[in-house]
Amino acid sequence: DAGVTQSPTHLIKTRGQQVTLRCSPKSGHDTVSWYQQALGQGPQFIFQYYEEEERQRGNFPDRFSGHQFPNYSSELNVNALLLGDSALYLCASSSLGIAPLALHFGNGTRLTVT
Amino acid sequence: DQQVKQNSPSLSVQEGRISILNCDYTNSMFDYFLWYKKYPAEGPTFLISISSIKDKNEDGRFTVFLNKSAKHLSLHIVPSQPGDSAVYFCAASAEASGTSYGKLTFGQGTILTVHP
Repeated sequence: DAGVTQSPTHLIKTRGQQVTLRCSPKSGHDTVSWYQQALGQGPQFIFQYYEEEERQRGNFPDRFSGHQFPNYSSELNVNALLLGDSALYLCASSSLGIAPLALHFGNGTRLTVT
Repeated sequence: DQQVKQNSPSLSVQEGRISILNCDYTNSMFDYFLWYKKYPAEGPTFLISISSIKDKNEDGRFTVFLNKSAKHLSLHIVPSQPGDSAVYFCAASAEASGTSYGKLTFGQGTILTVHP
């Protein structure tokens, strides 16, 4: 049973560029959440997707957007990259109707903005 | 505004002894608390949780204590093992609000090192 998978594992982008990160949830899960973890900090909630809709959003600008597909996989898009966007981006999946807090995390995508 | 705080960046413990990791929160709406463990190059993995209707929850070597009046929780690991060396995150959620949809607010993490 595959857990949460994220791609790519590492990414280097230049300031001002755009980036797309991908996530496949654990089998049986229907909800995907994205978190940003800056160096030395805890993960910060970006947004959550359920039934292909953004259900809740954290304190992140509109440059951060996402999408959920019918197969429950998800993408995180960041436009106009800033140096401060350099971080580990974590995807977490869960089953909203059964155990919404039983988050399973992927290993993350390390984004470096130069 | 750091709503969940782990004030100890690191903790060093001898194998076999007790490890105590602490966490404070400020948001009175938080009613469910979790501890996650994270190894390098891996995502956080769930360890143990507690609802605000309880003050203690045990799972094997791990026990979480909740003091609602002090807005404080702690994770006890007894006995500590070298394999427990990792970063430990405290997280909180406001489930009773009906709007959290499983959104977690994390602390900054505590690096636990257990020496053989």
